[in-house]
Amino acid sequence: DSGVTQTPKHLITATGQRVTLRCSPRSGDLSVYWYQQSLDQGLQFLIQYYNGEERAKGNILERFSAQQFPDLHSELNLSSLELGDSALYFCASSQGTGRTPLHFGNGTRLTVT
Amino acid sequence: GENVEQHPSTLSVQEGDSAVIKCTYSDSASNYFPWYKQELGKRPQLIIDIRSNVGEKKDQRIAVTLNKTAKHFSLHITETQPEDSAVYFCASHGSSNTGKLIFGQGTTLQVKP
Repeated sequence: DSGVTQTPKHLITATGQRVTLRCSPRSGDLSVYWYQQSLDQGLQFLIQYYNGEERAKGNILERFSAQQFPDLHSELNLSSLELGDSALYFCASSQGTGRTPLHFGNGTRLTVT
Repeated sequence: GENVEQHPSTLSVQEGDSAVIKCTYSDSASNYFPWYKQELGKRPQLIIDIRSNVGEKKDQRIAVTLNKTAKHFSLHITETQPEDSAVYFCASHGSSNTGKLIFGQGTTLQVKP
């Protein structure tokens, strides 16, 4: 168990809908990262938050947004969903912003029909 | 921009043989290089990492080497076992003030009994 909690585990929704993915980082970790993994694809960096503030942004679509709350949990909001958004969404956390490993949650599998 | 190339994309070996996976990175300021193992449907798990002030690191049957001049690093698994079968990802962390990791495309390792 990595200590990173993601909910829900599975999500099935229709095109055009909006969903929210939730992540609680490991105790003591201030940084939260979101990654997208499509079928047979690698891990694409979406966005990072550190202690409540956005720290880095990857190839995140404008339809997607995220935030980190004062209790350090984070939410990833995906709107106007398309079939191509179907993927595994991983949250990871780390202590800070330096040369430390990321610890991944078990992911949320999103299926858009 | 930041980029990590990983080869090969698939690798099949006999049990007991060695396996080598290679990665190159583009950002010369990168200074931290972790390797993750991902079993089917599960989260990526850190198996070993190396920092830029070290050329080689070993942990039982796993070793990682780093050549900063050539900007490449490699994962070596000796005496492979069927349970080593998984997807392996290399990653690099730049020196920018974030903790994000840029991942390679992944290598699917199959160890045949």
